[in-house]
Amino acid sequence: SYELTQPPSVSVSPGQTARITCSGDALPKQYAFWYQQKPGQAPVLVIYKDSERPSGIPERFSGSSSGTTVTLTISGVQAEDEADYYCQSTDFSGSYVVFGGGTKLTVL
Amino acid sequence: QVQLVESGGGVVQPGRSLRLSCATSGFTFSYYAIYWVRQAPGKGLEWVALISYDGSNKYYADSVKGRFTISRDNSKNTLSLQMNSLRPDDTAVYYCAREGPWVTSAFDIWGQGTMVTVSS
Repeated sequence: SYELTQPPSVSVSPGQTARITCSGDALPKQYAFWYQQKPGQAPVLVIYKDSERPSGIPERFSGSSSGTTVTLTISGVQAEDEADYYCQSTDFSGSYVVFGGGTKLTVL
Repeated sequence: QVQLVESGGGVVQPGRSLRLSCATSGFTFSYYAIYWVRQAPGKGLEWVALISYDGSNKYYADSVKGRFTISRDNSKNTLSLQMNSLRPDDTAVYYCAREGPWVTSAFDIWGQGTMVTVSS
């Protein structure tokens, strides 16, 4: 079955830039989406269609795509950004939703 | 304000049934496909079931196929998930999530979730 691969954890100091990658063979064909999930809360969409930011999401969140890898970048990380981040896309046919395993962002 | 509110979770014995509901408001429910997505304790997200905007098409993850049934009532703006033959590995927070307006399926709005615990 199709998989999206994320690093389990990323750590950064406040004010630095965090980059979280997500790899999958179908990503050149299907858009990627990113969700932020804080403990005990539902996921929140932070990036859609690889690089678009929903209204209400801070400008420090951005997304990019290159080949089979998409990247979520958080510039000037703040303590409140500490959370789990999940990438999501679909398989080649677009029939099935797939989530990455999630990346825990720790703000040191 | 767009809202999805799940209910119906609880503790249930293996092999028994449970029915989850998702009440929606703030948008035209009948225009949107809706998913159930679950998250086992300490684990990642897993899509469970999908129903099209008019209920004519339904899809299930292999892990629940034949045991779970998704349905909707567009007159009441509600979504349901009938879960039969529950197993301990069905223990999770269950979210309903609205499919966004993109070519690639994804979720723009999520409910707060309801916890299902399958244990004897």
